[in-house]
Amino acid sequence: AQSVTQLDSHVSVSEGTPVLLRCNYSSSYSPSLFWYVQHPNKGLQLLLKYTSAATLVKGINGFEAEFKKSETSFHLTKPSAHMSDAAEYFCVVTYTTGFQKLVFGTGTRLLVSP
Amino acid sequence: GAVVSQHPSWVICKSGTSVKIECRSLDFQATTMFWYRQFPKQSLMLMATSNEGSKATYEQGVEKDKFLINHASLTLSTLTVTSAHPEDSSFYICSARGSSGSDNEQFFGPGTRLTVL
Repeated sequence: AQSVTQLDSHVSVSEGTPVLLRCNYSSSYSPSLFWYVQHPNKGLQLLLKYTSAATLVKGINGFEAEFKKSETSFHLTKPSAHMSDAAEYFCVVTYTTGFQKLVFGTGTRLLVSP
Repeated sequence: GAVVSQHPSWVICKSGTSVKIECRSLDFQATTMFWYRQFPKQSLMLMATSNEGSKATYEQGVEKDKFLINHASLTLSTLTVTSAHPEDSSFYICSARGSSGSDNEQFFGPGTRLTVL
């Protein structure tokens, strides 16, 4: 069965410091992987996606993630955190094509302090 | 990106009553809509997938007679929680996907918080 594990329920950083949100996946097939962000009272927004093209994926707002098959990981990073990055982040895997059947991780809440 | 709205954003109801939640794609035609449920501090769990004009496909463990889904048009899907009980209290999120191409993104609504007293 396909699944994702987000290793940290909360991550706290200071503004201007790097962000690392960890995600490991389990998949019997070549997975498609995504990171979504959820701000309060707003819909989930797609940050970036990996669909078997380049292993280093660049997304919106300066985020990027690297697909590492040997480590079954898809960690999300950003060089410098901004206050507006504070939100809930979900790592997601799908085992079908076309964004069907998204399987969500448990989420990581990113806290950014001044 | 495309915009998906949900109405209401929150609702409180008495146990035993039914509640309808609407999900609308505002600027695109959604051939497929998805309904998720999110418990506090937990992940989103897919409840059902609905294609316009056909019956919804429910995930294992989701009672289709309790969670009625209608996708009568390309811009509107509704989820009705029938005979709601306190354990149905949750955050319900819909998403919508367009019809062009084979790798279309799901666009998510802002969610509806249901509290059953």
